[in-house]
Amino acid sequence: AQTIHQWPVAEIKAVGSPLSLGCTIKGKSSPNLYWYWQATGGTLQQLFYSITVGQVESVVQLNLSASRPKDDQFILSTEKLLLSHSGFYLCAWSRDRTNTGQLYFGEGSKLTVL
Amino acid sequence: GQQVQQSPASLVLQEGENAELQCNFSTSLNSMQWFYQRPGGSLVSLFYNPSGTKHSGRLTSTTVIKERRSSLHISSSQTTDSGTYLCALERTNAYKVIFGKGTHLHVLP
Repeated sequence: AQTIHQWPVAEIKAVGSPLSLGCTIKGKSSPNLYWYWQATGGTLQQLFYSITVGQVESVVQLNLSASRPKDDQFILSTEKLLLSHSGFYLCAWSRDRTNTGQLYFGEGSKLTVL
Repeated sequence: GQQVQQSPASLVLQEGENAELQCNFSTSLNSMQWFYQRPGGSLVSLFYNPSGTKHSGRLTSTTVIKERRSSLHISSSQTTDSGTYLCALERTNAYKVIFGKGTHLHVLP
């Protein structure tokens, strides 16, 4: 069975500090990987997707970057956090080859920027 | 404009009543996925439904592409059904999914 693990569960960070959020998928080779973000009370927005190692596509620009250093790992980062980065970050994977297909989400990471 | 519109924005029911949640879309669709969002933010997948009708216990999902709509029906609602329901439209030939704003359901005992 496939599992998806996100880390950290929660972070409280200062404006201007760096950030790194991660997720790992086990039990599925070459998954499509996604990052989503939801501001408190807001709508879930897709930030990035990756269909292969080393390649990441941006969907929404939020002064964040993403990388896929390994087949099973997806990293979201920034060197300088903004207040507007606060919210809930979700990583997801899917298996379809030409579309997104059914999405499977991790438990999420809550980020508070002060 | 908004490509995915969910209605109603909020709904209050007495336990035992049925609920009909709607999602209307204005762009090409490969499939619609319905989620329940827990108070902490994590998502529970309810249905992945490209077209037609699917059932799971007291839940039914119907997607009608020609009419550009998808619905989630909850029968005999229970207080534990309370929470936020999200629809997510999967774009055709793209790795992009657009979420609706959600329906906040509150079931009273």
